[in-house]
This record gives sequence, structure tokens and C-alpha cells, in this order.
Amino acid sequence: GQQLNQSPQSMFIQEGEDVSMNCTSSSIFNTWLWYKQDPGEGPVLLIALYKAGELTSNGRLTAQFGITRKDSFLNISASIPSDVGIYFCAGTGNQFYFGTGTSLTVIP
Amino acid sequence: EAEVAQSPRYKITEKSQAVAFWCDPISGHATLYWYRQILGQGPELLVQFQDESVVDDSQLPKDRFSAERLKGVDSTLKIQPAELGDSAMYLCASSLVAGGLQETQYFGPGTRLLVL
Repeated sequence: GQQLNQSPQSMFIQEGEDVSMNCTSSSIFNTWLWYKQDPGEGPVLLIALYKAGELTSNGRLTAQFGITRKDSFLNISASIPSDVGIYFCAGTGNQFYFGTGTSLTVIP
Repeated sequence: EAEVAQSPRYKITEKSQAVAFWCDPISGHATLYWYRQILGQGPELLVQFQDESVVDDSQLPKDRFSAERLKGVDSTLKIQPAELGDSAMYLCASSLVAGGLQETQYFGPGTRLLVL
């Protein structure tokens, strides 16, 4: 079945550093979504991308829908301790697919 | 701000018992999804409803799991009998419609199930 490969699997960074993670697929998607999940909570939508090449920001977060429609990246600038969590990408083609997740740890 | 509601937030049960989870989607969202998420993994779709109809339950273990959305609004997911391996987070999500630009899914807080 369709898989979204998300990397890196985990990150340990110092507070204030920038973060970059990406997601790739073997087939094209119509939308790319980025979610953040805190422990014991449901995923919260961060950014939704609907058009190839689209670059969208939400505060310190920036995400882009790849031109090939097979990838997307998420950047977090000037990380803070509350950025800790698991970040999932998701894509919609003929179905809805989740990435494998990136676990982010921010060291104060 | 509209949210997906789920209850209970936590449930502890013994194996072979029956458990039920409830979800109320965002008002006006026709599509409702139930996911299971094992610790350290991404959510896995169990069942998808379009209004009151099931459109995908291919990954639902039908010998013990059932789901309904009788009036096309709120939904119930049931497990009977529960097994140790059912311990997981059960997430509900909703979207305006399935497919196209309106398929963005919004998740509830989840129900964490522990089977002893």
C-alpha cells in the first residue's frame, strides 16, 4: 500500500535552533497536511497545502507542497520548548495517508 | 472554535469485557473517521463514514469491532470482547466531505484504552 516516508525519525535540538523535516511518497498527492501530536492527545492540524509549489506559513512554521506533488517539508524557526511533540505529515490521493512521524525534542 | 468531541478520554477494562467510545464530529462535517494509534506509530484507519453509510471498513476487525453512525452525526465504536492487544489510542476525525480540497481531517483528543 501507499506509504509516506517521513524523515528524520527523531530530532534532538537546542532551544532557538531551526528545524526541518520532510515527507516523500511514491505517488502524487492532491493535498499535503502537517499535524502535531502531544502525548496523550489527538493530532492538531498545523498547516494544509492544496497546490503544488504552495508555500504557507503559520507563525514560526513554514511548509511547502513540492512541485512534483510527491513531497513536502515543514520548517520550524527559532524552536521553543513547547514545540516538543510528534509531527506527522499526511497526504490525500485516492485515500488519506499518514507519515511515520518525526519526534522532536527541544532542549532548553 | 468547532472541535471534534470524544468520550471517554481514558478507559481501563479487563479482557473479554465490552467497551464503547463516542465521537461527535464538527457540525456540518459529513465524513467521520475512526483510527487506532499504537504508541510510537501513526494512526491507522479503522472505518470511514460518509453521512450514515460506511464507505471503508476494510481494516476493521469485524469479529470484535463494530461502528455505527445511525443519524449521520455522532458515532459509536464498540469492541466486544476486548483483548490485550486492543490497548491503544482511538482517534476520531471528521472532514467536510471525502475527496478534494475539503478532505482536511480534524481530530478529536482521543480515547486511551488500556486492557488488563
